[in-house]
Amino acid sequence: DADVTQTPRNRITKTGKRIMLECSQTKGHDRMYWYRQDPGLGLRLIYYSFDVKDINKGEISDGYSVSRQAQAKFSLSLESAIPNQTALYFCATSVGVREGRTGGYNEQFFGPGTRLTVL
Amino acid sequence: SQELEQSPQSLIVQEGKNLTINCTSSKTLYGLYWYKQKYGEGLIFLMMLQKGGEEKSHEKITAKLDEKKQQSSLHITASQPSHAGIYLCGADGDGSARQLTFGSGTQLTVLP
Repeated sequence: DADVTQTPRNRITKTGKRIMLECSQTKGHDRMYWYRQDPGLGLRLIYYSFDVKDINKGEISDGYSVSRQAQAKFSLSLESAIPNQTALYFCATSVGVREGRTGGYNEQFFGPGTRLTVL
Repeated sequence: SQELEQSPQSLIVQEGKNLTINCTSSKTLYGLYWYKQKYGEGLIFLMMLQKGGEEKSHEKITAKLDEKKQQSSLHITASQPSHAGIYLCGADGDGSARQLTFGSGTQLTVLP
């Protein structure tokens, strides 16, 4: 079984609808992230959470909200979907900082992605 | 904010050829991560380079970090169709390890 799972894998919806994307992980990691990927723009961070009570906005949080229901679950919501939110959405997890030779590092493990289309 | 520029944006090579992908940062690099993505799938972690001129290898893939140039290069030797995909670099821009900034990716096609 995959360590990081996302549901649904594909979703087509209409403008104005509320959508929730879910992410679950069995890695036991404290840190979880939501990214979106658009052609030519790489990955952009939407929200991240370092534990259940710690949620932070990323680069492009407008129009999105998140909920960290438990250490293993991190949901992304689009309150009123719009066409420019059509993208591939990824969830990622990280164990947190592990000290390396020159400081901490942050290897992230990604889910398979959710392809969202807003018509 | 930190920006990562990858070059080339896309690359088509014949099987067996060597190739190099570059990732250049607008700021000091405190940690540089390379990932591979197959079309429509998640990202697979390849390797991570820390500040200090590090070089790492994984099978036929070698990555180097040039901290003076704020640049990392990913080199694939004797490419195979299995190497095809999108390669993304990610960086920790401030050394806090709180989040990563990603480049826009390099699309690699390997022709059999």
